[in-house]
Amino acid sequence: EAGVAQSPRYKIIEKRQSVAFWCNPISGHATLYWYQQILGQGPKLLIQFQNNGVVDDSQLPKDRFSAERLKGVDSTLKIQPAKLEDSAVYLCASSLDRDQPQHFGDGTRLSIL
Amino acid sequence: QKEVEQNSGPLSVPEGAIASLNCTYSDRVSQSFFWYRQYSGKSPELIMSIYSNGDKEDGRFTAQLNKASQYVSLLIRDSQPSDSATYLCASMEYGNKLVFGAGTILRVKS
Repeated sequence: EAGVAQSPRYKIIEKRQSVAFWCNPISGHATLYWYQQILGQGPKLLIQFQNNGVVDDSQLPKDRFSAERLKGVDSTLKIQPAKLEDSAVYLCASSLDRDQPQHFGDGTRLSIL
Repeated sequence: QKEVEQNSGPLSVPEGAIASLNCTYSDRVSQSFFWYRQYSGKSPELIMSIYSNGDKEDGRFTAQLNKASQYVSLLIRDSQPSDSATYLCASMEYGNKLVFGAGTILRVKS
């Protein structure tokens, strides 16, 4: 079974620029998650989708972050404008359903200059 | 948001020894707990899940849960250098949201 696919693997941008990340979950997985992992910390949930609907975005900084999963399969996470503190690894995960174990992609490492 | 606490380590053990990793959580209503292993520069990989009090064994790994003490642990028997990684403890909160600890760095010395 193919795993969670993410791209790009690495991204370097200057502050105030915009950036977008893409995620394709494991086939058949209804639930998709975006996490932010700052160096030395555990992953922090940004947003959770169930099919194409948002279940939880309480920790998403909505003034600069947005995410969508229009057809209930792949998803994009956007940051605009980026700040220095957004430097982190952005992980996408998926699960069969909301109460099932989550499987992670390899992440996108974002560096803000 | 509820918290999950872990000792950041590093925890150093000799090859073949038992490594003991501990975690406490603050949300009394959490019912599901997970251990993830994360190699440097890689994504977290699920290695154990536990839902009821007591022990759960899977190969060299044993997860232990004590809901009264709000305590979860992971034992790794016959530790190998390939077990060297960061181990993340996570609890599932209301709404099926995973809350992660900061992780414990394990180093197994050959």
